[in-house]
Amino acid sequence: AQSVTQLGSHVSVSEGALVLLRCNYSSSVPPYLFWYVQYPNQGLQLLLKYTSAATLVKGINGFEAEFKKSETSFHLTKPSAHMSDAAEYFCAVSDRGGGGNKLTFGTGTQLKVEL
Amino acid sequence: DAGVTQSPTHLIKTRGQQVTLRCSPISGHKSVSWYQQVLGQGPQFIFQYYEKEERGRGNFPDRFSARQFPNYSSELNVNALLLGDSALYLCASSPGQGKVVGTFGSGTRLTVV
Repeated sequence: AQSVTQLGSHVSVSEGALVLLRCNYSSSVPPYLFWYVQYPNQGLQLLLKYTSAATLVKGINGFEAEFKKSETSFHLTKPSAHMSDAAEYFCAVSDRGGGGNKLTFGTGTQLKVEL
Repeated sequence: DAGVTQSPTHLIKTRGQQVTLRCSPISGHKSVSWYQQVLGQGPQFIFQYYEKEERGRGNFPDRFSARQFPNYSSELNVNALLLGDSALYLCASSPGQGKVVGTFGSGTRLTVV
């Protein structure tokens, strides 16, 4: 069974500061990994995905994540937070090459950006 | 192009009732998946349909069922509603079964009272 653990249900940063959202995964096979963002009362928007190409993945809105197999981690970062980044962020894992759309999500991290 | 369309956006039902939620995928997408997101939690996989056949099912009771139509739209049905079924129900579509990343709709917010 696959799973992801997001460390910290709430993260608060100042505008302009580094954003670091943590995600660790568990998978018996090489995984596909994803980060999604969810704004209030909206669906999920894909930020970025890892599918075994480059270990450093760049996404939309200045976000990036690095796949580290030795640490089973896929942490999300952004060099400088903006007020518009305030939202909930979900890490997700899926079987490499299996099962189509089945994603297993973490419990989410609520990001607060303060002036 | 229109994205994934879900209807209704909100609804309120009484315990014991039945509900049908609808999803229209992106044009050309043949796979639809359903997720349940309870407040404060991450989405949980319910079903995946591809070419009108069920291709995956999550750990949900038989009160939950779904189907996919020839035009690839989909319905999720929940019978004998419980208070715990209150959640945001998300639909995701993708071009095919092997395409992992889906595009999500904005969801249907179901409240059971």
